[in-house]
Amino acid sequence: AQSVTQLGSHVSVSEGALVLLRCNYSSSVPPYLFWYVQYPNQGLQLLLKYTTGATLVKGINGFEAEFKKSETSFHLTKPSAHMSDAAEYFCAVSLQGAQKLVFGQGTRLTINP
Amino acid sequence: EAGVAQSPRYKIIEKRQSVAFWCNPISGHATLYWYQQILGQGPKLLIQFQNNGVVDDSQLPKDRFSAERLKGVDSTLKIQPAKLEDSAVYLCASSLVLGAANQPQHFGDGTRLSIL
Repeated sequence: AQSVTQLGSHVSVSEGALVLLRCNYSSSVPPYLFWYVQYPNQGLQLLLKYTTGATLVKGINGFEAEFKKSETSFHLTKPSAHMSDAAEYFCAVSLQGAQKLVFGQGTRLTINP
Repeated sequence: EAGVAQSPRYKIIEKRQSVAFWCNPISGHATLYWYQQILGQGPKLLIQFQNNGVVDDSQLPKDRFSAERLKGVDSTLKIQPAKLEDSAVYLCASSLVLGAANQPQHFGDGTRLSIL
């Protein structure tokens, strides 16, 4: 069965600093990988996804993630944090051919002025 | 394009009472999901529908939870009787087709359930 581990339940960075949110997965077959963002009292919004092809994936709001099979990782980065990036971020995995998403426990991102 | 609609946004009930949540997916989306998100955790899939049929309900506590999607469009999730551990946000999501795992799921804003 697949699973997702997000390292760090809470990450705090200064405005303008690099954002790095870590995600490691386990899966017996090549997975599809997703990052979602959740603002307070809202549902989840898709940031980006990896299915096949290029391992560096660009998403909305300046975020990107790199699929590294050898490290079973899919870390999310943004070069320069903005106050509006403060939210909860979830990494998720699904198997090819299925649509069942398995989520990590989430990382709360705080941006300091 | 209208998003996934859920109601109510908030619900407070006492334990052992019953409660129902409603979800209307994006028009044309065949697949509908209900997730439970307990505070501090990621969403956990409860049940997945393809049109009006159940695809996966392996994590649905069937002794107290039930869900239906009779006409293959909107859906209701019911809890009867509620327990304290059911306090959570219940999220509904929809996607275009089944079997295309790269199709993104679109989420509603959820119903926050508090059990007293």
